[in-house]
Amino acid sequence: AQSVSQHNHHVILSEAASLELGCNYSYGGTVNLFWYVQYPGQHLQLLLKYFSGDPLVKGIKGFEAEFIKSKFSFNLRKPSVQWSDTAEYFCAVLRRALTFGSGTRLQVQP
Amino acid sequence: NAGVMQNPRHLVRRRGQEARLRCSPMKGHSHVYWYRQLPEEGLKFMVYLQKENIIDESGMPKERFSAEFPKEGPSILRIQQVVRGDSAAYFCASSPPGSHMLEAFFGQGTRLTVV
Repeated sequence: AQSVSQHNHHVILSEAASLELGCNYSYGGTVNLFWYVQYPGQHLQLLLKYFSGDPLVKGIKGFEAEFIKSKFSFNLRKPSVQWSDTAEYFCAVLRRALTFGSGTRLQVQP
Repeated sequence: NAGVMQNPRHLVRRRGQEARLRCSPMKGHSHVYWYRQLPEEGLKFMVYLQKENIIDESGMPKERFSAEFPKEGPSILRIQQVVRGDSAAYFCASSPPGSHMLEAFFGQGTRLTVV
């Protein structure tokens, strides 16, 4: 079945550690890819998106993601996390509508 | 420009009652999408509406669930005869004409608890 997979369900890091969250999708052809963040009690906010062009995408708050077509991946990275990055992160693919992965809960310890 | 507004934020219903969830899209947005988030799961697409039209309801349960987006007023997601399994967070998103979900903004959600 076509899907979006996020293999890390819960990640715990210390402040200043580097972050990489995995996202794989199983759709063929052209895809539009997104990362959203959901802070506790808040709505989903767009971190970054990829439509075409440079496969390395810069987003808000120091986040970036790399689209690797051969691996069907769109991993999210941040060189140095902060306590305020504690949130749930969702990868999504746009087909008929946004299809989301199951999310990764990131906990950053001070 | 206010964001996507959902109300109520929290809704408690007894089994068998009806739940009505409202979503007011951002100003100028004509597309509305409803998603459901079950505990420990990601968001699942339910339905896509434009003014007075259901465009894609492939994610809607076949029974008890309905959605509308009238010419005037908010979009409504209606759940009849709620059951415990309907307990979830329901999110609405909106996007401007012509963009589909390339420029989607989400509301804060309605957390439905069925007791």
